[in-house]
Amino acid sequence: GDQVEQSPSALSLHEGTGSALRCNFTTTMRAVQWFQQNSRGSLINLFYLASGTKENGRLKSTFNSKESYSTLHIRDAQLEDSGTYFCAASVNTGNYKYVFGAGTRLKVIA
Amino acid sequence: GALVYQYPRRTICKSGTSMRMECQAVGFQATSVAWYRQSPQKTFELIALSTVNSAIKYEQNFTQEKFPISHPNLSFSSMTVLNAYLEDRGLYLCGAHWGSAETLYFGSGTRLTVL
Repeated sequence: GDQVEQSPSALSLHEGTGSALRCNFTTTMRAVQWFQQNSRGSLINLFYLASGTKENGRLKSTFNSKESYSTLHIRDAQLEDSGTYFCAASVNTGNYKYVFGAGTRLKVIA
Repeated sequence: GALVYQYPRRTICKSGTSMRMECQAVGFQATSVAWYRQSPQKTFELIALSTVNSAIKYEQNFTQEKFPISHPNLSFSSMTVLNAYLEDRGLYLCGAHWGSAETLYFGSGTRLTVL
């Protein structure tokens, strides 16, 4: 079954506002990555976390392995933040297999 | 810095023909390479994982007969889509790890259109 449940599926934000994306995992995950897919389809690495919280500019991500979830917070959203965001979690099986969430389509409006 | 180059960026092939895509790690040696497909309106599915000194492992619904992969050295991998049909269209991404790091870095993808 689905191991990564990502929400919301779509989100609209006014410039300057913020929100959070979330991924829930139905099995123990070793690590999580967050990506932004741009209009050309390329995946841009945002964060890799094995635990805890990381922050980079207007983005902050948390991974809680025990409670099986990860979040991506966006603050002060800008037009260029528009795109589709994916979480991908590393299944705890000793190899490098990542399972992707379904994605969150973010639209930032002026 | 480490880069993963993937080419071609986009390709069009006739139904029933085959196409090959390549993935090159520049600036590092890829310990493992994973090939994913994003079909229209869908998320990324893992096709296969190729790890150094291990056999290439294909996921359910994907076979070596349909998606043969070559991983001759630590910086290069290629995958062919054989006898492509409409359901094979989508964005194919290769992702690479290096050393003990688990971070997966992706190439820019190959968008396959099947006519």
